[in-house]
Amino acid sequence: LAKTTQPISMDSYEGQEVNITCSHNNIATNDYITWYQQFPSQGPRFIIQGYKTKVTNEVASLFIPADRKSSTLSLPRVSLSDTAVYYCLVGAWYNQGGKLIFGQGTELSVKP
Amino acid sequence: EAQVTQNPRYLITVTGKKLTVTCSQNMNHEYMSWYRQDPGLGLRQIYYSMNVEVTDKGDVPEGYKVSRKEKRNFPLILESPSPNQTSLYFCASSLLAGASTDTQYFGPGTRLTVL
Repeated sequence: LAKTTQPISMDSYEGQEVNITCSHNNIATNDYITWYQQFPSQGPRFIIQGYKTKVTNEVASLFIPADRKSSTLSLPRVSLSDTAVYYCLVGAWYNQGGKLIFGQGTELSVKP
Repeated sequence: EAQVTQNPRYLITVTGKKLTVTCSQNMNHEYMSWYRQDPGLGLRQIYYSMNVEVTDKGDVPEGYKVSRKEKRNFPLILESPSPNQTSLYFCASSLLAGASTDTQYFGPGTRLTVL
């Protein structure tokens, strides 16, 4: 199972772009990279998923370099409501069955 | 509305008193999983189920049991709760489609306190 490493916390200000990097040196060939967002006392919520290069949706972008040993979640122009914990998850069903490992997550604090 | 429901949302109990936390999903998902969340430790998987009658251990299964008799339900059972099982518990479900781990849909959480 691919282990992930993220910064424990990050601070930002409203309107800035925030980039959170996740390291996953032992990512397997078939593994996907998924990011979740969690607000206090709520369940995590899916943000974005990718396999390689760049993926963009209405909420965020995900950048994955060619070696896939890391990935960067980019949140454009953050607001106070983006204050949350962000988790990077790496895996694929047929590599590991249903076993999934969430890292400790990155606590993002957005200030006015 | 597609959702994962958990009951109860809050529970205070005493050591050794058996309890069950229910989890139900209405999305016809094959995969269901239980996690516990503790300060500084992130989300840790307790048990998961890839389909009916198929369950397997996650990272922290000790002290817990699960069952998957129906596709929609995945109850978490604590036969003899202890204070170190005081935690915030989340149930999640996912459709097993394709190679990726797919989107997991999480329930609202159950805050358990064992005295």
